[in-house]
Amino acid sequence: QKEVEQNSGPLSVPEGAIASLNCTYSDRGSQSFFWYRQYSGKSPELIMFIYSNGDKEDGRFTAQLNKASQYVSLLIRDSQPSDSATYLCAVNQGGSYIPTFGRGTSLIVHP
Amino acid sequence: SAVISQKPSRDICQRGTSLTIQCQVDSQVTMMFWYRQQPGQSLTLIATANQGSEATYESGFVIDKFPISRPNLTFSTLTVSNMSPEDSSIYLCSVGGTGNGNTIYFGEGSWLTVV
Repeated sequence: QKEVEQNSGPLSVPEGAIASLNCTYSDRGSQSFFWYRQYSGKSPELIMFIYSNGDKEDGRFTAQLNKASQYVSLLIRDSQPSDSATYLCAVNQGGSYIPTFGRGTSLIVHP
Repeated sequence: SAVISQKPSRDICQRGTSLTIQCQVDSQVTMMFWYRQQPGQSLTLIATANQGSEATYESGFVIDKFPISRPNLTFSTLTVSNMSPEDSSIYLCSVGGTGNGNTIYFGEGSWLTVV
C-alpha cells in the first residue's frame, strides 16, 4: 500500500514569514513529486513538480526533495494571506500517470 | 495545460436518483481520470476512463455504481447511480499525459449534495 503522509494542520504563519509544508511517502520507488494548492470550494491546481534530489525554486515557492529520507517539502517565502489554502502532496512512480495524494495541510497566513 | 470543463458545477440531488457529470477537454488527451473528494478528505481515484473500452476501476468502486463513458479523446462522463447521502462529495475530472511528463491537471469539479 503506497502511502503519502502530511500533517493536516492548520499551519498558521504571520504574513511575510516562511511557511514550511512537509510530506513523507512510503514507496521508495517513487520518482515524481507534486504540490497542489486547493482553495476552499475550488479544485486543486498544480504549483510545482520535482523529480530530482535537491531544491527547485519557482518564484516564492521552493520544493525540496530528499529521496533517501523519503520526504518532499514545500517552502513558501514572504507568505501572503492569499496563500491561505490546503496544500496537497502527490507522489507517483516512474512511468505511472496516477499519483497518490496526501490528505493535505491547511495553511493559514494571518495579517 | 489543457482546459478542462465540468458540468454541472454544483447540484443538490434526491436520494435514490442518478446524476451524470460531463467532462470536456479542449484538446485530445490520452489519460482521463475521475476522482472523488469527500468532505475534509483527500482525493481518491475512482477510475481511469479508457477511450473506446470499459473504465478501469479502483478497489472499492464498481461500474454499477459509477458507470463511466469515454467515447473519444476529449470527452468523458461519470454517473453516480442510486445516490445516498454518503455520495455527497466533490467529483473531479482530471487529465494526464499532457504538459510536464506525469503531471495531471484537474477540472473545476462538480459539487454534489445528496439529500
